[in-house]
Amino acid sequence: GNSVTQMEGPVTLSEEAFLTINCTYTATGYPSLFWYVQYPGEGLQLLLKATKADDKGSNKGFEATYRKETTSFHLEKGSVQVSDSAVYFCALSLGTGNQFYFGTGTSLTVIP
Amino acid sequence: DTGVSQNPRHKITKRGQNVTFRCDPISEHNRLYWYRQTLGQGPEFLTYFQNEAQLEKSRLLSDRFSAERPKGSFSTLEIQRTEQGDSAMYLCASSLANSYNEQFFGPGTRLTVL
Repeated sequence: GNSVTQMEGPVTLSEEAFLTINCTYTATGYPSLFWYVQYPGEGLQLLLKATKADDKGSNKGFEATYRKETTSFHLEKGSVQVSDSAVYFCALSLGTGNQFYFGTGTSLTVIP
Repeated sequence: DTGVSQNPRHKITKRGQNVTFRCDPISEHNRLYWYRQTLGQGPEFLTYFQNEAQLEKSRLLSDRFSAERPKGSFSTLEIQRTEQGDSAMYLCASSLANSYNEQFFGPGTRLTVL
């Protein structure tokens, strides 16, 4: 079947620290991969995406590379800010309707 | 505001009652999705529409759940005879029908069944 496994949280980092949130997937075909972010009290927002192997998605200083050989799509940021505190969801899109399969989410708290 | 909207934002009901939620997608989007999110989990797919046609339903969608999109615009999700296990956030998303297009999510309707 199709599924996404995310690094367990919560994660607490100091401002300007390096962030990695691991994400691996299992898919029956060739999925598109996404990272969504959910800030406190808000809805899910797309952070970045990659649609084929070796693509790199990037936005707001975050990056993730679609690695087919390791079935991974790890999220990284070189220097986190307090405003990055949120829950991050890795997801894949597959199937005739392109419905999403989400990971369980990783809560990130950045302290000054 | 041209994003996805959902109403109501919160719903508290007693076990056994019926509830209905509404989703208004982005106007030019022909696909509409419903997801359910419980505390500490990621959203789980329930069903989706392309225009007015309901094309897929998850096994999570029991016979107490029904969704409609009568004119290919807004959609409703009804839960009959609610149970405490139905308590969750119900999310709606919309997109264009393309393999690579992102889904835009609404703020969700939080259902609490007492």
